[in-house]
Amino acid sequence: AQSVSQHNHHVILSEAASLELGCNYSYGGTVNLFWYVQYPGQHLQLLLKYFSGDPLVKGIKGFEAEFIKSKFSFNLRKPSVQWSDTAEYFCAVNADTGRRALTFGSGTRLQVQP
Amino acid sequence: GAVVSQHPSWVICKSGTSVKIECRSLDFQATTMFWYRQFPKQSLMLMATSNEGSKATYEQGVEKDKFLINHASLTLSTLTVTSAHPEDSSFYICSAREWDRVDQPQHFGDGTRLSIL
Repeated sequence: AQSVSQHNHHVILSEAASLELGCNYSYGGTVNLFWYVQYPGQHLQLLLKYFSGDPLVKGIKGFEAEFIKSKFSFNLRKPSVQWSDTAEYFCAVNADTGRRALTFGSGTRLQVQP
Repeated sequence: GAVVSQHPSWVICKSGTSVKIECRSLDFQATTMFWYRQFPKQSLMLMATSNEGSKATYEQGVEKDKFLINHASLTLSTLTVTSAHPEDSSFYICSAREWDRVDQPQHFGDGTRLSIL
């Protein structure tokens, strides 16, 4: 069965610091990968997705993620965070197993201090 | 962008009551809808997948008689928690996908916080 690991549970950064959130998945076949963000009191929103092509994916609000197949990773990055990036970030995967739903990681709470 | 509306946002009720949660896709037709449950500080756990006009597919360990799912139209799915008990208290989230393709993103509702007294 596919699974997703997010090793950073809670990250605290100052504004303008660089961000990298780790995401690893366990499945050897073709995968579709997603990063979702949940701002306080709001619903989950799609940040970016990867399903083929260039392994470096650019999303909204200056976020990007790199798919490294050999490492089964899809880490999220942002060069300079803002206070408004404070949120919960979820990595999710959908593999070509016929299961149509996403499998989510446990989430990473990002707190950006002004 | 695609919007999913979930109602109600918060429910408090007595043990033994049945509670219905609605999930609507407002500006697209959702061939597939998903119901998740989220415990505090934990990830979203898939409960079931529903397709319009057919029976829902439940994940292992989810009681289908306890959590009734109806996907009567391409824009509406409902989750009914029957005879709810305190252990059913949780945050329930629905999502919808316009096309039944795994590379298409899911659009999420705001969630329903269910508290059973």
